[in-house]
Amino acid sequence: DQQVKQNSPSLSVQEGRISILNCDYTNSMFDYFLWYKKYPAEGPTFLISISSIKDKNEDGRFTVFLNKSAKHLSLHIVPSQPGDSAVYFCAASRDDKIIFGKGTRLHILP
Amino acid sequence: DADVTQTPRNRITKTGKRIMLECSQTKGHDRMYWYRQDPGLGLRLIYYSFDVKDINKGEISDGYSVSRQAQAKFSLSLESAIPNQTALYFCATSAPTGTHNNEQFFGPGTRLTVL
Repeated sequence: DQQVKQNSPSLSVQEGRISILNCDYTNSMFDYFLWYKKYPAEGPTFLISISSIKDKNEDGRFTVFLNKSAKHLSLHIVPSQPGDSAVYFCAASRDDKIIFGKGTRLHILP
Repeated sequence: DADVTQTPRNRITKTGKRIMLECSQTKGHDRMYWYRQDPGLGLRLIYYSFDVKDINKGEISDGYSVSRQAQAKFSLSLESAIPNQTALYFCATSAPTGTHNNEQFFGPGTRLTVL
């Protein structure tokens, strides 16, 4: 049973607009949630995280929102840029292990 | 220089062969992990190690074994490779709990093809 779900395999967004990537989880014991970005032929790289005790974390163009009651988090990228085209993995952490979602491929359109 | 390196980067092998994938890190982290990535399935944990004397099975350990030769080295072995082990393999490291948001740092990956 998937504990971390990314239900959209892909998403296309116009350059300059907002990209919103969604993630749902089932385990209320997760203590951190993370977003990773992956380009082809490279390993995933950490993008932004949020503690389970917070509901928002912002870093430049990237903001992560956490809704614990809905067991839902989202990553907002604004404005979207061509270099943001990549696969984004949502992940949840507990007991020093990270569980990853299946990923969402983001295409930024010119 | 890369903090987490993996060798080889690409490997083609035949069914039944033994193969080893190696991972080295210069981050000084105690914790190391092996994942595989398959299309549409995300990253799945194979094995992890919290220090040199600690080895733990992950979600999909069957058909794999690991060795933690030193703090900086963690190798993954396929004793008898089979075609459904064709995948992209990633090594990762992390600092202890409570530091760095539990972030893991990934190597560049090894693309393994089993014919």
